[in-house]
Formats: sequence, structure tokens, C-alpha cells
Amino acid sequence: AQSVTQLDSHVSVSEGTPVLLRCNYSSSYSPSLFWYVQHPNKGLQLLLKYTSAATLVKGINGFEAEFKKSETSFHLTKPSAHMSDAAEYFCVVTRSGGSYIPTFGRGTSLIVHP
Amino acid sequence: DAGVIQSPRHEVTEMGQEVTLRCKPISGHDYLFWYRQTMMRGLELLIYFNNNVPIDDSGMPEDRFSAKMPNASFSTLKIQPSEPRDSAVYFCASSLYLKVETQYFGPGTRLLVL
Repeated sequence: AQSVTQLDSHVSVSEGTPVLLRCNYSSSYSPSLFWYVQHPNKGLQLLLKYTSAATLVKGINGFEAEFKKSETSFHLTKPSAHMSDAAEYFCVVTRSGGSYIPTFGRGTSLIVHP
Repeated sequence: DAGVIQSPRHEVTEMGQEVTLRCKPISGHDYLFWYRQTMMRGLELLIYFNNNVPIDDSGMPEDRFSAKMPNASFSTLKIQPSEPRDSAVYFCASSLYLKVETQYFGPGTRLLVL
């Protein structure tokens, strides 16, 4: 069994300040973890993925995430927020090795103030 | 490439009516997925196809829902009869491989059942 919890439904930051979106997971087996972004009226786009290689994963648009097994966390960070980062972000877990059914978090809405 | 195409983008219907959602996957992709996104349940996988054959429909909520893929370039998700609780955004995604990180998502169809 697997589950994912995004700890904040909304995160509000000022442009130029750091971003932290929190995700905790639960999995009975070795997980693969992903972050997706969804801009208004658009489909989901893959930001980054962890698949049992390096624990610090770099993605597109300056985002990165760190896999911490001891804390069962996979938090998403960015050093400096940009207005274009305002969107919905989803943390996703699947079973490592290609087993299909993904479990999506409920999403975190990132609000960026000028 | 135009990406995954979904139609209609918005649908408003009355309870009891039949609703048909359409999806054109990216050419050459062997896998097609239907997801539903609601505030209550987040993003859920409904069904997926491989080479036009339904592989796993365990996420389909009930018999009122059906999905078909008559050829490699077209799929439908039908709800008959529709109910207000079916109101959601329905996403179609396609991919070359059976791995969530390789999926390309369409823009979604926003369905409102009155």
C-alpha cells in the first residue's frame, strides 16, 4: 500500500523568497517519487523525479527535492520564487521498478505575491 | 506535436444525461490513461489502455462509467446517466511506456452536472 500527504493546501510567498512545499509518503516497498506542476487550465507537467539514485534531485525551472527515507519525506524547494511559479503542485508516489498505479497527493497551491 | 487533445474543454449538463469525453493521444504513444480530479478525492486513475486494449479499469467508479479506445488515435470516456457527484475535471494522458513520469497530460475537460 502507498499514500502521500501534502502538508499544506496553500503556500503563499513573496517573489524572490524561497519556496518550500512539503510532502510525506508512506509505502510498503521501495518508492519512486515525483513532483508535478499544474498551471491553470493546463494538464500536469513533470517537474522532477526520484527513482532510487541520488537523493537530491534537480528538476526544471530551478526546483529541487530531497528524498529523506528516515523522515519519509520528499519536500520541494526553490531558492527564489518567480511570479510564473504560481500554480498547483502535486506529489506522487509509485512502487519503484515500474509497477503502475500512482498515488497523487491532494495538491498544494503556490501563491506568489509581487 | 500538438500534444494530447481533449474535447470538449468544458461541459455543463443536467443530471441523467449522457456525457461523452474525448481524447486524442500523442501519435505513437502506446498507453492511454483517464484520470479524474475532484476537490474531495484529488487526482485518481480511472482506467488505462495499452495498444487500444483496456488493461486496468479498477479505478472506474461504477457501471455508469465506460471507456473505449476504438483505434490508436482516439478514446472516449462515457458517463450514462450522469449525476452531480460526477462533476470534476477529467484528464487524459498518453505515454510510450508504462511509467507515470513518461506521461503527457491533456488540458482536461471540466464537467459540471447540474
